[in-house]
Amino acid sequence: DIQMTQSPSSLSASVGDRVTITCRASQGINNYIAWYQQKPGKGPKLLIYAASTLQLGVPSRFSGSGSGTDFTLAISSLQPEDVAVYYCQKYYGAPPTFGQGTKVEIK
Amino acid sequence: EVQLVESGGGLVQPGGSLRLSCAASGFSFSSYSMHWVRQAPGKGLEYVSAIGHTGDRTYYADSVKGRFTISRDNSKNTLYLQMGSLRAEDMAVYYCTREMGNWQYYDFWGQGTLVTVSS
Repeated sequence: DIQMTQSPSSLSASVGDRVTITCRASQGINNYIAWYQQKPGKGPKLLIYAASTLQLGVPSRFSGSGSGTDFTLAISSLQPEDVAVYYCQKYYGAPPTFGQGTKVEIK
Repeated sequence: EVQLVESGGGLVQPGGSLRLSCAASGFSFSSYSMHWVRQAPGKGLEYVSAIGHTGDRTYYADSVKGRFTISRDNSKNTLYLQMGSLRAEDMAVYYCTREMGNWQYYDFWGQGTLVTVSS
């Protein structure tokens, strides 16, 4: 199975900072990656699919990039409501697999 | 508005069985493949099982193959997960998810239902 390695596992940043989270696939997955945001006690919310396509309704401060094995989720200006755990997920081949998650906090 | 509402979770002894349900509304349920994804307490997300929109194709993670059965009733807009031979490592919140665009990622998730496996 293709493994997804996400980093960092946690980060703390100030409101307004640019934040980046990376996800590396153990083999090439083209651009078949999605990113989710999960707030405490809730189901995850789709942010980005196909590596860089923003899901409808998601604020434009979120962006995704990458292809092949290395991918990035960026938040251009961190807001208090962005406190959450973020997961990447590959959907190239079976089974779909998730990264370990990145917990984002406000400094 | 798309809604996915899971139910059926609870406390079960090791080796026991449980059936989860997911009531779907706000979209054409019979047009979408559906999945179950779980999350152990304090842990990450894990794919469990998937079913095609007509119910004719089913898929399972190796960790649950032979113990869990996914099914759906399109007349009732409901997804099911029959879980058997439950183990401590099956303890998790189970989410019902809608597959987006025939790709195995998820544009809608339910709120989850907790399955606790303990004696």
